[in-house]
Amino acid sequence: DAGITQSPRYKITETGRQVTLMCHQTWSHSYMFWYRQDLGHGLRLIYYSAAADITDKGEVPDGYVVSRSKTENFPLTLESATRSQTSVYFCASSGTTYGELFFGEGSRLTVL
Amino acid sequence: AQSVTQLDSHVSVSEGTPVLLRCNYSSSYSPSLFWYVQHPNKGLQLLLKYTSAATLVKGINGFEAEFKKSETSFHLTKPSAHMSDAAEYFCVVSDRDTGNQFYFGTGTSLTVIP
Repeated sequence: DAGITQSPRYKITETGRQVTLMCHQTWSHSYMFWYRQDLGHGLRLIYYSAAADITDKGEVPDGYVVSRSKTENFPLTLESATRSQTSVYFCASSGTTYGELFFGEGSRLTVL
Repeated sequence: AQSVTQLDSHVSVSEGTPVLLRCNYSSSYSPSLFWYVQHPNKGLQLLLKYTSAATLVKGINGFEAEFKKSETSFHLTKPSAHMSDAAEYFCVVSDRDTGNQFYFGTGTSLTVIP
């Protein structure tokens, strides 16, 4: 189906392990984003990308790595997971500057 | 610096009564403003957006919002609440001075009482 999909939807891991959250969109949108959602903080931007091979840090990038070798994919990697990275992660895309964001359904990550 | 303040973390209304969710923003001259809705265990969905056209913006499901520059507000309203409106609502601002970044409020949880 067309749209933006995230995988896995649910993940439990242990402190120190590497975790990759996948994001795939079928619209060929230029812009893609990763947010984390925590109670009391709303959504906070981790990284964003304006096009393939162009990425930039957001508000809370520490401990995360992104890449964008293809327009449609924007994986987020936690190199060494910590308990503070327990959160719900949302990927989003946008076809235009300042335009509507389209969100995936989220990936719920628990770090034990 | 850009910021968004949602003045109520939780709002309860009875079914059939009006809804008012309040949002104030801090931004430069030409902000774009959005309201998103999030139902449990779902992603966010756009309700409506303001991008310097008409100051009264109509969205989906009977929602609307008015951009008031003098008050730096973008409150969300609906004349008559429905049970299906129960969700989390986010006010979002973006402006050209910050590049393509969106700043989210902390959300307002709407409860609709039957």
